[in-house]
Amino acid sequence: QSALTQPRSVSGSPGQSVTISCTGTNSDIGNYNFVSWYQQHPGKAPRFLIYDVSQRPSGVPDRFSGSKSGNTASLTISGLQAEDDADYYCCSYAGSYTFYVFGTGTKVSVL
Amino acid sequence: QVQLVQSGAEVKKPGASVKVSCKASGYTFANYDITWVRQATGQGLEWMGWMNPVSGKTGYAQKFQGRVTMTRDTSITTAYLELSSLRSEDTAVYFCARWAPDVAAAGWDPWGQGTLVTVSS
Repeated sequence: QSALTQPRSVSGSPGQSVTISCTGTNSDIGNYNFVSWYQQHPGKAPRFLIYDVSQRPSGVPDRFSGSKSGNTASLTISGLQAEDDADYYCCSYAGSYTFYVFGTGTKVSVL
Repeated sequence: QVQLVQSGAEVKKPGASVKVSCKASGYTFANYDITWVRQATGQGLEWMGWMNPVSGKTGYAQKFQGRVTMTRDTSITTAYLELSSLRSEDTAVYFCARWAPDVAAAGWDPWGQGTLVTVSS
């Protein structure tokens, strides 16, 4: 099972919006609505941002939103802030044989 | 508060085994599965497997089948990851994470702080 495909990097100025894509296949993203997103700062553990494609756990700002179309999921960060400068990973359930697959990761730079 | 605290860094020789612990506190250990994820330096996250603390039932990524064992000691609310036949490519930070409440799949929160395992001769 290959990793889900994400752009290597995206950037934006404070206050702007950025969108990160996460492309999979009919065996993972396209077949299940179990896509999650994580934020990771250097040297830190990942932080849980989004689950079930578009749901936010309590405590996560509504600046973070998720969506899905076909085999591609997306994470949008609105009103970009300096602390959003981090790596972002998507993850999808891929069935009872493969279980889970992560994305390749995207570096978000706040200019 | 809900917390997962992992054991310290390890240095192992190729062919050896390593066992990493993950001590849970602040919640009922039996109620949530534990997942293990690793990350090589400068690389992405890689899902390794999960374990149910009550039954001990496990599910492993195909890549690690035969080399990985996930266990637990419920008396001390601790989960363990053991990886055998280590090779240089296993050098990575290993994270444990708890299944997040009310999430059907692919949701883990919180995460442990990570344990660096270095495989070197």
